[in-house]
Amino acid sequence: SQTIHQWPATLVQPVGSPLSLECTVEGTSNPNLYWYRQAAGRGLQLLFYSVGIGQISSEVPQNLSASRPQDRQFILSSKKLLLSDSGFYLCAWSVRWRGGYTFGSGTRLTVV
Amino acid sequence: AQTVTQSQPEMSVQEAETVTLSCTYDTSESDYYLFWYKQPPSRQMILVIRQEAYKQQNATENRFSVNFQKAAKSFSLKISDSQLGDAAMYFCAYRSDGGATNKLIFGTGTLLAVQP
Repeated sequence: SQTIHQWPATLVQPVGSPLSLECTVEGTSNPNLYWYRQAAGRGLQLLFYSVGIGQISSEVPQNLSASRPQDRQFILSSKKLLLSDSGFYLCAWSVRWRGGYTFGSGTRLTVV
Repeated sequence: AQTVTQSQPEMSVQEAETVTLSCTYDTSESDYYLFWYKQPPSRQMILVIRQEAYKQQNATENRFSVNFQKAAKSFSLKISDSQLGDAAMYFCAYRSDGGATNKLIFGTGTLLAVQP
C-alpha cells in the first residue's frame, strides 16, 4: 500500500535561518506531488506541485522553493526564513491526473 | 476557472444527531471528482468520501453520505449519528478528470462542533 512520510512534525526556526522540509512517498511510481500551506487553521494554499523529477511549478511568488531530486521525494526549502513563513505545511501525493490526494501528517513551522 | 464554495463557516450538532454540510462548485467540465476531507485538531487531512461525477449513485461510507446534484452543482455531506470524534474542519474539494488544469481545489472549510 502507498504511504507518505513528512518530517519534521514540528520546527521552530529563527528569522533568517534556512529551511528544509522533506516528503517521501512509498508504494507508487510517478506520483504528482504537492506542497500546501495552511495559516491560522483555515484554508489551504497550494505552494508548489511537481509532475516529475526536476519539474516544479510554483503557484505563488514567495520566499520558498521546492525540489524533486528523486521520483518519490519532494523537498520544500528556504534560504532565509521570514516571520510570515510560519504556518502548517502539508505534503500530498496523487495518481497522475485523476483521483484524490493523500496527505502527509504535516509540519508545524514557527519562525521566531 | 473552477471554484468551490462552502457557505457555512461553522456548524454545530448534538451527539447522535444528523448534520448536513453544504458545498457548491462551479465548473464547465463534465468529468470530475468531488471530495470531502476532514481535518481534526491534529491537522492531518483525512479523506472522508469521494464522488465521481459520472456516477449517478450517491457515495456512502458508513455514517457519511453525500447528496450529489450534478445539474445544480451541489455536493453536500451528511453525517448521521454524529460522534464526538466527528468534530473537525471539513473541506469540500474538486478535481477535474485529466487535462492541464488538474489541481485539487478546496473550499474554505466548515468547522463542525459536536455537542455531548
